[in-house]
Amino acid sequence: NAGVMQNPRHLVRRRGQEARLRCSPMKGHSHVYWYRQLPEEGLKFMVYLQKENIIDESGMPKERFSAEFPKEGPSILRIQQVVRGDSAAYFCASSSSQETQYFGPGTRLLVL
Amino acid sequence: QQQVKQSPQSLIVQKGGISIINCAYENTAFDYFPWYQQFPGKGPALLIAIRPDVSEKKEGRFTISFNKSAKQFSLHIMDSQPGDSATYFCAASQVTSYGKLTFGQGTILTVHP
Repeated sequence: NAGVMQNPRHLVRRRGQEARLRCSPMKGHSHVYWYRQLPEEGLKFMVYLQKENIIDESGMPKERFSAEFPKEGPSILRIQQVVRGDSAAYFCASSSSQETQYFGPGTRLLVL
Repeated sequence: QQQVKQSPQSLIVQKGGISIINCAYENTAFDYFPWYQQFPGKGPALLIAIRPDVSEKKEGRFTISFNKSAKQFSLHIMDSQPGDSATYFCAASQVTSYGKLTFGQGTILTVHP
């Protein structure tokens, strides 16, 4: 039973480029959460999605950030026109019940 | 009101000792309290979790103690081992907020051989 998968594991972008982060939840899980972890800090909630629906995006910046979880395929977190402050580790977690969340290995984004 | 405060920031323990990490919360609507372990370069891994209807939960060497009236909970690691050296995060969530987790700031645990 494969765990939560994220790719790429490392992503380097120059300022102004777009970053696309992918997350495949555990089999049978329909709930996906995205969190951001800045260096030396805890994880901060960004967005919660179910298949084809954004349920709670209260932690996601209003501009440049978007997320989707299509009927087929992985969940995508998209960051447009990246800035240096976007450099962080982005974690995806999945759940079958809105309770126990299982985390992926993360994508470490570095903006030059 | 959504904060979870975690202490200490770092902890050094000798092999075989007890590691204790504390968390405090404000939001009385929180109803699920997990602890996660994170190794460098990895994602957080669920260790143990508790609901507020019990005061203690034990799984192997890991125990959560929960004090609802004080709005505090703690993780105890018995017989700490060098392999336990990692960053530990407490978290809290409420079902009515879709289970999104509010994390503490993390505790870096180092267990010396």
